[in-house]
Amino acid sequence: QQPVQSPQAVILREGEDAVINCSSSKALYSVHWYRQKHGEAPVFLMILLKGGEQKGHEKISASFNEKKQQSSLYLTASQLSYSGTYFCGTEGWGSARQLTFGSGTQLTVLP
Amino acid sequence: DTEVTQTPKHLVMGMTNKKSLKCEQHMGHRAMYWYKQKAKKPPELMFVYSYEKLSINESVPSRFSPECPNSSLLNLHLHALQPEDSALYLCASSHGGISSGANVLTFGAGSRLTVL
Repeated sequence: QQPVQSPQAVILREGEDAVINCSSSKALYSVHWYRQKHGEAPVFLMILLKGGEQKGHEKISASFNEKKQQSSLYLTASQLSYSGTYFCGTEGWGSARQLTFGSGTQLTVLP
Repeated sequence: DTEVTQTPKHLVMGMTNKKSLKCEQHMGHRAMYWYKQKAKKPPELMFVYSYEKLSINESVPSRFSPECPNSSLLNLHLHALQPEDSALYLCASSHGGISSGANVLTFGAGSRLTVL
């Protein structure tokens, strides 16, 4: 089952903050976040494994609420280079753990 | 070497052609994946090879045939494709096998396929 991402698109000015949400209807083993720039491959940002875990990558951080099966990606003081499509990927419990990607959030940062 | 290399970058083929997409990684990763991505959509999983064995086939039509000759190489053989198969085909690899979980994917740049 595909996780649900919101919003579908967001437009920011440089220096503004944004939050992207990802939720799943199934119990999650992990949540991954990837960014894909136009015409390029998706690039791994971070993985969250434990309920309540928070991780950071420069000014991009994320949280994972295991009880709610939700994750949020926080982009603070956004830069032009943050533009792209952000995908969450969720991994369930079971013998074969493959990622299922959400529908994506298109982030545009304007000067 | 931290790259996944895919060839060709672009491929145009007719519906009666037979062609192949190739993927190579030298990171010692034990799982390799084929994803299909349509414009403005997320990558969709097609196949997973874990320790050189086909572990996942997401009900992909038989006109797509994967092959894993060794732990570094992954091929996708294409035959009698339809125009709706036009898409970006992404190869990815991950360190652990598919059952180990928490597999961070390293993607190749993709092969953009157009079926006429």
